[in-house]
Amino acid sequence: QLVESGGGVAQPGRSLRLSCVASGFTLSYYGMHWIRLAPGKGLEWVAVISYDGSIKYYSDSVKGRFTISRDNGENSLYLQMNSLRAEDTGVYYCARDKGSWYCDYWGQGTLVTVSS
Amino acid sequence: SYELTQPLSVSVALGQTARITCGGNNIGSRNVHWYQQKPGQAPVSVIYRDSNRPSGIPDRFSGSNSGNTATLTISRAQAGDEADYYCQVWDGNTVFGGGTKLTVL
Repeated sequence: QLVESGGGVAQPGRSLRLSCVASGFTLSYYGMHWIRLAPGKGLEWVAVISYDGSIKYYSDSVKGRFTISRDNGENSLYLQMNSLRAEDTGVYYCARDKGSWYCDYWGQGTLVTVSS
Repeated sequence: SYELTQPLSVSVALGQTARITCGGNNIGSRNVHWYQQKPGQAPVSVIYRDSNRPSGIPDRFSGSNSGNTATLTISRAQAGDEADYYCQVWDGNTVFGGGTKLTVL
């Protein structure tokens, strides 16, 4: 099971930190993704981190503003979101990478709203 | 950047076969994954690595991938199959198609 938290309302330019806690499996065995769904739009991949945190990739739309990280000891994944923009609004999902960049388990999502 | 093209919508009669396509340059050389998302719910994997079904997904769902088109096929369509469907590949970054809304008539 994956449970996200930390969403809410933030003003443009402010920050939020999302968390994703894993249970029922050992997080340290898997790469993990953040993926978002903006209102009225399709799924958009945000970032991925390798099982040990040594490799990270970001979409061009969040590069330089968002940071993905993990604490395997706490079975947790994070997304630090800085310099938020209105277009960052959406539901953010964490998802487990089963290999070949395939997401086999997804959390229920946490809603981020960026608005003044 | 790599782009995946899906039809915005597909309609199918109850009990008939729906085919949702995902177009991309030489997509046949890549692993394609498919997800189903219903309103207010998290996405669920229905096909991975072109044609493999996760545990719990009925065999009415199948996938193929060749040339420039990957296809998700839903046989004997049911009302419960109404959802948005997304294809996904890896191209240095994870890329999703724009999504297809499936309507069962």
